[in-house]
Amino acid sequence: DAKTTQPPSMDCAEGRAANLPCNHSTISGNEYVYWYRQIHSQGPQYIIHGLKNNETNEMASLIITEDRKSSTLILPHATLRDTAVYYCIVLTDSWGKLQFGAGTQVVVTP
Amino acid sequence: AAGVIQSPRHLIKEKRETATLKCYPIPRHDTVYWYQQGPGQDPQFLISFYEKMQSDKGSIPDRFSAQQFSDYHSELNMSSLELGDSALYFCASSILWSSGGAVATQYFGPGTRLTVL
Repeated sequence: DAKTTQPPSMDCAEGRAANLPCNHSTISGNEYVYWYRQIHSQGPQYIIHGLKNNETNEMASLIITEDRKSSTLILPHATLRDTAVYYCIVLTDSWGKLQFGAGTQVVVTP
Repeated sequence: AAGVIQSPRHLIKEKRETATLKCYPIPRHDTVYWYQQGPGQDPQFLISFYEKMQSDKGSIPDRFSAQQFSDYHSELNMSSLELGDSALYFCASSILWSSGGAVATQYFGPGTRLTVL
């Protein structure tokens, strides 16, 4: 699976949009981009995934560049409960094992 | 909606003892994954099962074994426990081939915190 690179940390003000970048320059055509987050010691929580097109659900939006070498997770209105480690994972294996790298620690402040 | 259930939530064992962790997947999910997260570390894949057969294997010690039963629940058996086995153990489940052949989204349980003294 392609390797991902994320900033180690970022702060966000409550109520503002949080834009989390992820670089996956070696991604292959059949590889999906998945985002999970982990709130302190809880089970990782699925957020969103995409292949080529931008995606939106009730939690977030995922913007994938046209060359697919990077993506951005957007939390439209960050709340204190969005404080977590966010993981960007590239996945090709149909069996779906997740390889967690060093994600981004997001701290939402009042 | 029903989620992944793990039991027990907390477990304390002595060195060289054995432990069994249980995972009950979301109803109708056919694939189970186990992950280990040591203190201050990211989750690491251990093993997975699809339709009761092992489907993939990661960095799982030989002292550990796992299986998936006919009702799709899974158990992770850990023997000769070591201090370094102290960690959070997460189970996740998915429906393989749920998206027309695309990769299947995994949903995680709350984890079992194992402490080895």
